[in-house]
Amino acid sequence: AQTVTQSQPEMSVQEAETVTLSCTYDTSENNYYLFWYKQPPSRQMILVIRQEAYKQQNATENRFSVNFQKAAKSFSLKISDSQLGDTAMYFCAFLPYNTDKLIFGTGTRLQVFP
Amino acid sequence: DVKVTQSSRYLVKRTGEKVFLECVQDMDHENMFWYRQDPGLGLRLIYFSYDVKMKEKGDIPEGYSVSREKKERFSLILESASTNQTSMYLCASTLDRPSSMNTEAFFGQGTRLTVV
Repeated sequence: AQTVTQSQPEMSVQEAETVTLSCTYDTSENNYYLFWYKQPPSRQMILVIRQEAYKQQNATENRFSVNFQKAAKSFSLKISDSQLGDTAMYFCAFLPYNTDKLIFGTGTRLQVFP
Repeated sequence: DVKVTQSSRYLVKRTGEKVFLECVQDMDHENMFWYRQDPGLGLRLIYFSYDVKMKEKGDIPEGYSVSREKKERFSLILESASTNQTSMYLCASTLDRPSSMNTEAFFGQGTRLTVV
């Protein structure tokens, strides 16, 4: 079975600092997609960043970037220059190629302190 | 902007009641999903639908059923609510199938259901 593991239930970081959230996954597939979603206290889940498995270049979106290590099945999220608005639950998600079922990890609650 | 609307943010129901959770999306998306979110367990897929009147079981379908009579509306039904169904329920939609890297799931704001 395909699984997604987020080993850090909670993290905290000071404003303007950098934080990295870890995610590992287990699959025998060669083609798949990976995502990070953010769920702020408002509960509205939004997409942060996405990566296609066959692309070696790590995705970046402004202050958010990933470190994708396919062989290690690792997909960590780095948030640079953390802002108070980054306080949220972050979910790593895995989508096998040619399917519709997004598989989510258990989430990491990130608190950004002033 | 894509909008996914869930009919209630908070709901309290009694054990044994039949409960309907409604979800509507306004962007003509093909796929719709119901997830359950519990602390320490993340999001778990209950059911999904890729077309009107079509449905597929997710990972935890027991105790639930769904209905999709119109493309924009996907309902989750708890036939006889139990206390272990107390949870946050999230509806989501995606544009088309098969999903791809460009697939972006759009979520509703969630319904926090308490069964007493």
